[in-house]
Amino acid sequence: AQSVTQLGSHVSVSEGALVLLRCNYSSSVPPYLFWYVQYPNQGLQLLLKYTSAATLVKGINGFEAEFKKSETSFHLTKPSAHMSDAAEYFCAVSEVQGAQKLVFGQGTRLTINP
Amino acid sequence: DAGVTQSPTHLIKTRGQQVTLRCSPISGHKSVSWYQQVLGQGPQFIFQYYEKEERGRGNFPDRFSARQFPNYSSELNVNALLLGDSALYLCASSASGTYDEQYFGPGTRLTVT
Repeated sequence: AQSVTQLGSHVSVSEGALVLLRCNYSSSVPPYLFWYVQYPNQGLQLLLKYTSAATLVKGINGFEAEFKKSETSFHLTKPSAHMSDAAEYFCAVSEVQGAQKLVFGQGTRLTINP
Repeated sequence: DAGVTQSPTHLIKTRGQQVTLRCSPISGHKSVSWYQQVLGQGPQFIFQYYEKEERGRGNFPDRFSARQFPNYSSELNVNALLLGDSALYLCASSASGTYDEQYFGPGTRLTVT
């Protein structure tokens, strides 16, 4: 079964600083990987998706993620944090064995300090 | 275009009661999936329906059931509610129901007292 591990349940950065949220996956087949963001009391919004077309994936709101097969990683980055980036971020791997199923990590809460 | 919609937004039920949650997918999407998100955790897969057929279910008891209607909307039913069923229930839709992205609704917050 596929699984996702997000390193660091809570990350705090200063406004304007680099954001780095870590995600490692386990998959026996080439994975489809996703990053979602969840603002308080809301559903999940898709940030970006990896589907093997390119290892560097650009998403919305200035975020991007790099797929590294050798490290089984799919870390999310943003060069300059903005106060509006404060939210919970989830990495997920798509598993299609009968059902289309997203397997999520535990999430990383991003706090932005002024 | 309207996104995934869910109703109700919030719900408070008593242990032992039954609850029905509703979801309307994005227009043109034929797949609906349900996830349970307990506070402080990532969402857990409950069900997927595609073209009104159940494609799969996660590790949830038989108290959880769902169905999909001809217009692709869906209902999630939970019987004999337990305190541990308190969670945010998320509905997601996708076009093909395979590897394409899933779009989530705002969720229904269920509190069981």
